[in-house]
Amino acid sequence: ELKVEQNPLFLSMQEGKNYTIYCNYSTTSDRLYWYRQDPGKSLESLFVLLSNGAVKQEGRLMASLDTKARLSTLHITAAVHDLSATYFCAVVRADKLIFGTGTRLQVFP
Amino acid sequence: GAGVSQSPSNKVTEKGKDVELRCDPISGHTALYWYRQRLGQGLEFLIYFQGNSAPDKSGLPSDRFSAERTGESVSTLTIQRTQQEDSAVYLCASSLASDGLFGYTFGSGTRLTVV
Repeated sequence: ELKVEQNPLFLSMQEGKNYTIYCNYSTTSDRLYWYRQDPGKSLESLFVLLSNGAVKQEGRLMASLDTKARLSTLHITAAVHDLSATYFCAVVRADKLIFGTGTRLQVFP
Repeated sequence: GAGVSQSPSNKVTEKGKDVELRCDPISGHTALYWYRQRLGQGLEFLIYFQGNSAPDKSGLPSDRFSAERTGESVSTLTIQRTQQEDSAVYLCASSLASDGLFGYTFGSGTRLTVV
């Protein structure tokens, strides 16, 4: 059974600081997705990572995938308040998209 | 349509009643998924449809849950004899292909409250 774990589960960080969210998964997959969810809202797609070594960047967020280590990272650079949200990674296995536990990010001044 | 549409957006029902939730995927998307998200929790896979193939029902929590989809169009998720633990947001997603190469688009969800 595929398990997808994220850490930390909760992250409180100061504006301007850098931090990394980790996503580990238990079985082989070469497709990983990052989503953002604001309170009371649906999921917004951030990144689609389709191969080992894939790196994608959008604004202050950068995601990478290491399929051999079964690890993806979401790096936040110089955090701003607008990045406060819950971030989910998700992995495809047997055509099913399985989600991680989520990381709730709070950025304060 | 431009996005995945779900209705109703909110539903309050009495314990023991049946409810039906609707998902209208993006036109042309062959794959459709239902997820449940309890308050403060992650997304729990429920069921997956791919074209005219038999659905993957492995995530349905009990026989009170069922879902249908006709071809590549609208899907309905039915919960019979609702219980308080069914209270959650039910999210639907669709994708162009089951392999997810083009990503997955989520609807806004239906917030179900069982009182």
